[in-house]
Amino acid sequence: GDSVTQMEGPVTLSEEAFLTINCTYTATGYPSLFWYVQYPGEGLQLLLKATKADDKGSNKGFEATYRKETTSFHLEKGSVQVSDSAVYFCALSLAGGTSYGKLTFGQGTILTVHP
Amino acid sequence: KAGVTQTPRYLIKTRGQQVTLSCSPISGHRSVSWYQQTPGQGLQFLFEYFSETQRNKGNFPGRFSGRQFSNSRSEMNVSTLELGDSALYLCASSFSPDGELFFGEGSRLTVL
Repeated sequence: GDSVTQMEGPVTLSEEAFLTINCTYTATGYPSLFWYVQYPGEGLQLLLKATKADDKGSNKGFEATYRKETTSFHLEKGSVQVSDSAVYFCALSLAGGTSYGKLTFGQGTILTVHP
Repeated sequence: KAGVTQTPRYLIKTRGQQVTLSCSPISGHRSVSWYQQTPGQGLQFLFEYFSETQRNKGNFPGRFSGRQFSNSRSEMNVSTLELGDSALYLCASSFSPDGELFFGEGSRLTVL
């Protein structure tokens, strides 16, 4: 079945450090890929997305490129801030048609950024 | 534009009881999905409704059920509660086939 694997966490960084959170996927079709973020006590928010191979999603300084050849969608940010501390989820959707409410999530990566 | 609203935000039940959770999607969104979030299992898809019809269902026992009303509001019900049902239940709505979901803040259920 479809699955998403994220790097083992948690991740602890100092402010202004470079961030990479690895994400790989297995899917039977051509998925759309997403990164969602969950701040403490809140629901999930969409951070960025990419709907086809070689697309780059970006938002708030975060970037991820849809790599079909390596089935990956790694999240990067050049300089993290304390306010980026949250849980990050990689997800896929075999969207379109009748499936667009169903996402398959990775296990989540806890990011803590210290001043 | 109002976001996805879930009620109640917190609730405590005992084993064997049942619970009903409510979700009001963003206006104009016809798809509503439910997810269970636990520390051990992460985020797991429960089911999705579109125009009052269940369109997809995850791998959960029949104790978990849901429905959607004509105004797109949705409810989910868990009967005969077990300790393992303690979780954050998240509702999400969507309007487009690209898979972007808009999540509520969740209903945190504790089963004692």
